Amino acid sequence: QVQQVESGGGLVKPGGSLRLSCAVSTFTFSDYYMSWIRQAPGKGLEWVSYISTSGSTIYYADSVKGRFTISRDNAKNSLYLQMNSLRVEDTAVYYCARGKYSSGYWGQGTLVTVSS
Amino acid sequence: QSALTQPASVSGSPGQSITISCTGTSSDVGGYNYVSWYQQHPGEAPKLMIYDVSNRPSGVSNRFSGSKSGNTASLTISGLQAEDEADYYCSSYTSSSTRVFGGGTKLTVL
Repeated sequence: QVQQVESGGGLVKPGGSLRLSCAVSTFTFSDYYMSWIRQAPGKGLEWVSYISTSGSTIYYADSVKGRFTISRDNAKNSLYLQMNSLRVEDTAVYYCARGKYSSGYWGQGTLVTVSS
Repeated sequence: QSALTQPASVSGSPGQSITISCTGTSSDVGGYNYVSWYQQHPGEAPKLMIYDVSNRPSGVSNRFSGSKSGNTASLTISGLQAEDEADYYCSSYTSSSTRVFGGGTKLTVL
């Protein structure tokens, strides 16, 4: 059973920062690209970013470029998303998901709420 | 990157077949065989139903099938069942090395 557990969500004021984590167990984390995908309340899915197995290749959606940073620690089987200069429109459930071209395994998501 | 275009809603009766379309451009859907489809029930994480246009992951019913023609991809569900009622999203890789999702389609089983 693949398990991915996101954490680090919460309530933050506009302009603030949060760091999300995704802990992976039961598959060889270092063998896979990983992605962050978010879903605003009542809205559709939005791809945020992905990172290659070694961390050398990274891409971001235009909506978060320059504010968010994806990273990974293969020794800890963990994926991260550092979110700075948060905006109200960043409010969403953030999912970590395995894969680059498609996402076959998803975590349960962590809710980020940006509000004053 | 603009979102892919999906119908907001589709419906069908049990046992029938329905098709959900996903229209993009030559820079995404039409340019790559990296279209995937996701099913999402309320309060749950999305589930991969189709990857690389027409491949089903292990464990996904063969009632689900995918195809692509030009800049439009399609998800067909045959033999509709009550548990198929959910939101469905398409996704494609793009020429900018990013990914883009469709706006989602709500499937109602009548």
